[in-house]
Amino acid sequence: DTAVSQTPKYLVTQMGNDKSIKCEQNLGHDTMYWYKQDSKKFLKIMFSYNNKELIINETVPNRFSPKSPDKAHLNLHINSLELGDSAVYFCASSRNFGSAGNTIYFGEGSWLTVV
Amino acid sequence: GENVEQHPSTLSVQEGDSAVIKCTYSDSASNYFPWYKQELGKGPQLIIDIRSNVGEKKDQRIAVTLNKTAKHFSLHITETQPEDSAVYFCAASRDTGNQFYFGTGTSLTVIP
Repeated sequence: DTAVSQTPKYLVTQMGNDKSIKCEQNLGHDTMYWYKQDSKKFLKIMFSYNNKELIINETVPNRFSPKSPDKAHLNLHINSLELGDSAVYFCASSRNFGSAGNTIYFGEGSWLTVV
Repeated sequence: GENVEQHPSTLSVQEGDSAVIKCTYSDSASNYFPWYKQELGKGPQLIIDIRSNVGEKKDQRIAVTLNKTAKHFSLHITETQPEDSAVYFCAASRDTGNQFYFGTGTSLTVIP
């Protein structure tokens, strides 16, 4: 019973393609995130949703579009993939931003390789 | 905004020795400091956390210390084992904030 699950785990695709990564959490959390981890292991926040509402939108190309159909799901769609998009994308969730001990729980990651 | 710095970036220790990873933060309003362990091919997992009203917290072989005045916090792993080998991240956030700020990670290798 994985708490934060994301699919696919591995994705190899050609430049210019459009792809989606799906994420679901069964923790009952209100806030979900997408992080990008580059080859140097840096964790960079991309987006955050609280109860289906976008609350963090870092400087990310417009080709990246998050969608949250409900508070348990946050999907990431990427248009016109570029070589530089190759990275590991982590979905995460937390109880409620702004509440005490608001710990983030990460999924297992989606390894995206653009060729 | 908050800036979290983490040192060292790589650390090798002999099995049984101690390992210490240090982080500093810039925002005095930060009051929650979790540590994550990321094993190869997996997502970061919370291993210990500390709030700003506490100076030290221990959980078996791991401990975290916090110095609010100096704005730094550290992870201590004693009696290291090969399975402690991983990348460790510190982070800082505040209850009234809306995001976590992560350090740049420390790759720990425990040599058997």
